[in-house]
Amino acid sequence: GAVVSQHPSRVICKSGTSVKIECRSLDFQATTMFWYRQFPKKSLMLMATSNEGSKATYEQGVEKDKFLINHASLTLSTLTVTSAHPEDSSFYICSARDRDSTNYGYTFGSGTRLTVV
Amino acid sequence: GQNIDQPTEMTATEGAIVQINCTYQTSGFNGLFWYQQHAGEAPTFLSYNVLDGLEEKGRFSSFLSRSKGYSYLLLKELQMKDSASYLCAVRDLGGQNFVFGPGTRLSVLP
Repeated sequence: GAVVSQHPSRVICKSGTSVKIECRSLDFQATTMFWYRQFPKKSLMLMATSNEGSKATYEQGVEKDKFLINHASLTLSTLTVTSAHPEDSSFYICSARDRDSTNYGYTFGSGTRLTVV
Repeated sequence: GQNIDQPTEMTATEGAIVQINCTYQTSGFNGLFWYQQHAGEAPTFLSYNVLDGLEEKGRFSSFLSRSKGYSYLLLKELQMKDSASYLCAVRDLGGQNFVFGPGTRLSVLP
């Protein structure tokens, strides 16, 4: 079945530094990927929709200059948290659409736990 | 606007049956999904409904009534490993985006 690999699974960084999270579709081409953020005991909140070869579409309230998204190929999207602050600490999850998948096309990555100290 | 509501927490006993409800009010509808999420892990797909009625899949069943904006997930023969959060999500008309409900944390007790 469709697999989405997300890396790293955990990262701790200092305040003011930048962190890059990668999301790869391993056995399918993902023209669209989605980036979510999840706070403890809360649901997933869509941050942005990433389209291969074009600019990402950000949800209202999400700073595009802080959360840089690049979808340069059909199998890779990256989310860079720039100048991270403690309030950016969260669980970040990507998902990708595979039209041939039995789960009607949406597969999630394993998530990245970001802690900013 | 988009609004999806689920109970915050539920508790049930091993071997029992539990029903988790989801009500939604969205500007467009193109399918309702249920996901299971264990703490610290990504959601995993459980079921999908786009037409009214019941979809059964082993111990899990999901029901949809579009006219009522209502769905439920039914878990039978509960096992300890079923302790997790269950997320209801509605897909928009464009078929691209999901709106997730707040999730229901289910605790299965021995």
